[in-house]
Amino acid sequence: DQQVKQNSPSLSVQEGRISILNCDYTNSMFDYFLWYKKYPAEGPTFLISISSIKDKNEDGRFTVFLNKSAKHLSLHIVPSQPGDSAVYFCAARAQTGANNLFFGTGTRLTVIP
Amino acid sequence: EADIYQTPRYLVIGTGKKITLECSQTMGHDKMYWYQQDPGMELHLIHYSYGVNSTEKGDLSSESTVSRIRTEHFPLTLESARPSHTSQYLCASTPSGDTQYFGPGTRLTVL
Repeated sequence: DQQVKQNSPSLSVQEGRISILNCDYTNSMFDYFLWYKKYPAEGPTFLISISSIKDKNEDGRFTVFLNKSAKHLSLHIVPSQPGDSAVYFCAARAQTGANNLFFGTGTRLTVIP
Repeated sequence: EADIYQTPRYLVIGTGKKITLECSQTMGHDKMYWYQQDPGMELHLIHYSYGVNSTEKGDLSSESTVSRIRTEHFPLTLESARPSHTSQYLCASTPSGDTQYFGPGTRLTVL
């Protein structure tokens, strides 16, 4: 049963506009959330993370919002650039065991010049 | 950010062959992980290690095995490759259990 869900497989945005990628999770034991960017045939590249004790974290053009009551997080990219075109994965960490990450299926972002 | 290396990047091999996928990191991270990803799907954990001589199976059942004889090295072995093993294999490490840093991956195709 998938514990992290990205329900939008793809998103297209005009250059300079805001990109909003969404992620939902089901496990209330998740305490740390991350966003990764991935190009085909390459490994995921870490973008930004947020602890469950916060509701917002910002790093340059990237901002992650966490709504624990709704078990929802989102990644905002402002302004979007063509180089942002990639697949974005949401991931959540379990507090116990291996501290391994649970991943969503990804959202392919295309930024149109 | 971690320097983490995987070889080979691409491997095409026949059924029944034994293969070893290499993963090395130079940052002295104790925790290392192997994930498997099929196209359009999420990454699934298949093995992890807390340190030297520590290996555990992950959430996704896998016929592969791993070893951790040195901190920096975490190879994955398939004794007899099958077409069902065709996938991308991603190695990761973390200094603290928070952010994991990934290698470039090995794309394996078994004919």
